[in-house]
Amino acid sequence: NAGVTQTPKFQVLKTGQSMTLQCAQDMNHEYMSWYRQDPGMGLRLIHYSVGAGITDQGEVPNGYNVSRSTTEDFPLRLLSAAPSQTSVYFCASGYSVGELFFGEGSRLTVL
Amino acid sequence: SQELEQSPQSLIVQEGKNLTINCTSSKTLYGLYWYKQKYGEGLIFLMMLQKGGEEKSHEKITAKLDEKKQQSSLHITASQPSHAGIYLCGANPIETDSNYQLIWGAGTKLIIKP
Repeated sequence: NAGVTQTPKFQVLKTGQSMTLQCAQDMNHEYMSWYRQDPGMGLRLIHYSVGAGITDQGEVPNGYNVSRSTTEDFPLRLLSAAPSQTSVYFCASGYSVGELFFGEGSRLTVL
Repeated sequence: SQELEQSPQSLIVQEGKNLTINCTSSKTLYGLYWYKQKYGEGLIFLMMLQKGGEEKSHEKITAKLDEKKQQSSLHITASQPSHAGIYLCGANPIETDSNYQLIWGAGTKLIIKP
């Protein structure tokens, strides 16, 4: 029973590098989302998707791209990493926007 | 800006004692969701409240939503070490640009002293 799987769990990047955080779910959820969690700031929505081929911006989309070619996968791309993108990233999916299943998180450090 | 205010920010409670965490919004909410996060892990869904005055319980955790649907409380009875973690509230306000975006509180860190 995999649920929501995020990879990698840890990543260190240099400023300007690009990378992709992978997210996959096996629950056939239409709704998927990416959040970043920073100390004292709670969760902030980066991008979300309500189904394959449909994505939209959240609260803090700048510097990130997403795509949703299948129901299962929702990768998050960092185009040119900046130190301000040092954070813990969570992928979440659900049948509705409020009852979400979260991945275990990806800790990203940008030097 | 934090549209959902959680209080307290942190809480240290003796094992066996009761505690309450609050989540307050300046806007009327369509739905209010409570999650728990263990240190270094993802969030786990606890409860959803949608109706004014609604109250739900799961094991020793009870959550309530006030009649105006702007404030919720999470009450833990006879706390145990397994209750330790960070509790977050999330919500979707009735007046919102998108029905698909939740707003979140900053979280309440709960420590249980044995």
